[in-house]
Amino acid sequence: QQQVKQSPQSLIVQKGGISIINCAYENTAFDYFPWYQQFPGKGPALLIAIRPDVSEKKEGRFTISFNKSAKQFSLHIMDSQPGDSATYFCAASSTIGTALIFGKGTTLSVSS
Amino acid sequence: KAGVTQTPRYLIKTRGQQVTLSCSPISGHRSVSWYQQTPGQGLQFLFEYFSETQRNKGNFPGRFSGRQFSNSRSEMNVSTLELGDSALYLCASSGGAMGGREQFFGPGTRLTVL
Repeated sequence: QQQVKQSPQSLIVQKGGISIINCAYENTAFDYFPWYQQFPGKGPALLIAIRPDVSEKKEGRFTISFNKSAKQFSLHIMDSQPGDSATYFCAASSTIGTALIFGKGTTLSVSS
Repeated sequence: KAGVTQTPRYLIKTRGQQVTLSCSPISGHRSVSWYQQTPGQGLQFLFEYFSETQRNKGNFPGRFSGRQFSNSRSEMNVSTLELGDSALYLCASSGGAMGGREQFFGPGTRLTVL
């Protein structure tokens, strides 16, 4: 069964802190791992994505860390802000034209 | 560049009816995927169309169908609606820089079945 397991389900972080969300996958054929951010009433927005030939990718305050041997990847949000409060989804897919398999989501609340 | 647009944004239907949802992808994108989002099941893949052909299909009953037109616009249809079909239906287009892997989502159509 193709699955992507995401944790934690919810996360509360102080303003300025680091938010960390973890995902694990089973299918070794997955070769594309994006993260999406979704605000209430909106569609998911692509944040950052990584391929397995890279162990880390950084874009602004967002960093993906990738551990191919452990089949795990994580999203780090540095200097978390109240505006980052949203639901975050990790996903994976194996080739162009195949489905994105999503984790169940993490609801992040950044308190000011 | 305009983003993905979906119409209508909200729909209320009754059990047994059918519904058609529309999606216009980002200009130049040829792939359109549809997803269903519910609180219980999360985001689940319905199907993907590329150049008017269904390229991939998820594990949904045959009541869910779709099509794509020559201008890449796509529609999905749900026949004989059930209460459990109440969900946010999301369309995503791809075909951009990262070898076509980046999928950009529209705002969704919120379907309520009474």
